[in-house]
Amino acid sequence: DIVMTQSPDSLAVSLGERATINCKSSQSALYSSNNKNYLSWYQQKPGQPPKLLIYWASTRESGVPDRFSGSGSETDFTLTISSLQAEDVAVYYCQQYYSTPPGWTFGQGTKVEIK
Amino acid sequence: QVQLQESGPGLVKPSETLSLTCTVSGGSISSYYWSWIRQPPGKRLEWIGYISYGWSTNYNPSLKSRVSISLDTSKNQLSLKVTSVIAADTAIYYCAKENGVGAFDIWGQGTLVTVSA
Repeated sequence: DIVMTQSPDSLAVSLGERATINCKSSQSALYSSNNKNYLSWYQQKPGQPPKLLIYWASTRESGVPDRFSGSGSETDFTLTISSLQAEDVAVYYCQQYYSTPPGWTFGQGTKVEIK
Repeated sequence: QVQLQESGPGLVKPSETLSLTCTVSGGSISSYYWSWIRQPPGKRLEWIGYISYGWSTNYNPSLKSRVSISLDTSKNQLSLKVTSVIAADTAIYYCAKENGVGAFDIWGQGTLVTVSA
């Protein structure tokens, strides 16, 4: 089974400052067939379903502000919020897709708060 | 724009079967991959299983013996059944559409299912 571990579990960042969340997988998310990492990031606010922010490790979903960026490859990934806004308070999850057979695994989540 | 709406009983007794339906609007259920995902209170998201437009399925190994997912193309719905439920099955259950590149781009609002006598 693929295990995904996020760090930290929570962080408090001042408005306008950078927030960085890490995600480590027990198996590579890189597919050699297309050189894509099948790693996604979601934002979940209280009482709401998750919202897709990033797929393919670094591709922003349509409509997502450019202060959100993703990076990394194979087993180590990072979500960065370049300048934290009040509306970014949420829990963030990483998620990996695996293809044989198709399945999905989520990290435990990272809670982002305002300092 | 595709929209999803889950429905079903909010309370299920232990050992009984949990049955949920997800109604898809704004698009054909025969065009995408669909998954059920759940979230126990205060816990991480857990993928339950998926079904493709070709009726291929796969389930989380931890739930495989108790779960089934199916499509009703005439109603544009997918359904979830979880048998022999226990308290640990208490969760918000979401249906979600996969975007073709391994991510879930559209989610239902979720429905809370409580397992209790």
